[in-house]
Amino acid sequence: DGGITQSPKYLFRKEGQNVTLSCEQNLNHDAMYWYRQDPGQGLRLIYYSQIVNDFQKGDIAEGYSVSREKKESFPLTVTSAQKNPTAFYLCASSWSGETDTQYFGPGTRLTVL
Amino acid sequence: KQEVTQIPAALSVPEGENLVLNCSFTDSAIYNLQWFRQDPGKGLTSLLLIQSSQREQTSGRLNASLDKSSGRSTLYIAASQPGDSATYLCAVRPLGDAGGTSYGKLTFGQGTILTVHP
Repeated sequence: DGGITQSPKYLFRKEGQNVTLSCEQNLNHDAMYWYRQDPGQGLRLIYYSQIVNDFQKGDIAEGYSVSREKKESFPLTVTSAQKNPTAFYLCASSWSGETDTQYFGPGTRLTVL
Repeated sequence: KQEVTQIPAALSVPEGENLVLNCSFTDSAIYNLQWFRQDPGKGLTSLLLIQSSQREQTSGRLNASLDKSSGRSTLYIAASQPGDSATYLCAVRPLGDAGGTSYGKLTFGQGTILTVHP
């Protein structure tokens, strides 16, 4: 059963803590992406990776970090430097070509207490 | 900087109506445009992808058109049903530059919240 999984579905964080969001795909896609969605807004790109061991900053990378050690996995760490981390986080993947659609995971809702 | 705007922000219609959702973008240098559907608290599902060289794409009751020169796309939903209720987002992918740094960088609109009532 191919697809993209994200965990956990809900995550609560105290101020000053780092948290890591998981994203795994078994679609054999080369490219993976992290987006942030705030209420009533579209998605904004945080980081993306075209191949293993390489990734690029998106439009709002400050306060976030990623790694891409395996093709299937692209974890996102929300650091304490991120001033307003409460949001819905979406991971996506695609073939590494300009014309291919992105497939999205179910999302993780992060709330800072 | 590419900006994508969707109008209206919300739309409520009775079942059976045909409806049009609008998407406009400021930079016509795009590879493609996609329409997505998002149910509350869920991820996105791709509905239609239109390449920059195409004028429209159809899937079932959905038809999307693209006018790249004017920076506009429309999503037409025929014979709407309550199950069509969701948020609809459009996104554009820019042309890649020589270093390929634009690849994968979708720019999204803020979405149109559609409610179809019985």
